Amino acid sequence: DQQVKQNSPSLSVQEGRISILNCDYTNSMFDYFLWYKKYPAEGPTFLISISSIKDKNEDGRFTVFLNKSAKHLSLHIVPSQPGDSAVYFCAASSGSQAGTALIFGKGTTLSVSS
Amino acid sequence: GAGVSQTPSNKVTEKGKYVELRCDPISGHTALYWYRQSLGQGPEFLIYFQGTGAADDSGLPNDRFFAVRPEGSVSTLKIQRTERGDSAVYLCASSWDRGGTQYFGPGTRLLVL
Repeated sequence: DQQVKQNSPSLSVQEGRISILNCDYTNSMFDYFLWYKKYPAEGPTFLISISSIKDKNEDGRFTVFLNKSAKHLSLHIVPSQPGDSAVYFCAASSGSQAGTALIFGKGTTLSVSS
Repeated sequence: GAGVSQTPSNKVTEKGKYVELRCDPISGHTALYWYRQSLGQGPEFLIYFQGTGAADDSGLPNDRFFAVRPEGSVSTLKIQRTERGDSAVYLCASSWDRGGTQYFGPGTRLLVL
């Protein structure tokens, strides 16, 4: 029973356009959410996070939106660049304290074409 | 500064053998985590250390898996009597004591033949 779901295995976007990656969760105890980016043969790289007390967090081209009532979050990348092509993982935890295991989705492969 | 490092980067072994995977966390990080990522899946939590002690080992699949962190820095994940189903990428992450962001190493790709 997956607690974090990324229902789109892949997404293709043209350079300069917006990329929207979606994530749904089922556990109402989750209150901290993160996005990681992963290139082949590398470990996941932290991208951006959001606490459940917020509904939006922005960092440069990356914005994460959280809709707690729908148990849904999304990552927006604007404008998309070819270097953004990677696998994106959504992760959740039940607290922002160290020692909380992250629960990951299966990932979405983003391809940005020039 | 240096990130999380893991050795070896690749390990091929035969079914039934014993393997050790090493993780060197970011300097100053007291929390250390092990995850396992199978093909087509996201990382799955195995075990968490705070300092030298395993504070949460609820993700270890069975008693063939064991991990230590004797001096509160480097950690070793040990797998006994390896099985083909143990083939995966084993990821290590570390974080500050009071921070939630986990920073990952490049992983060790384990293949059990």
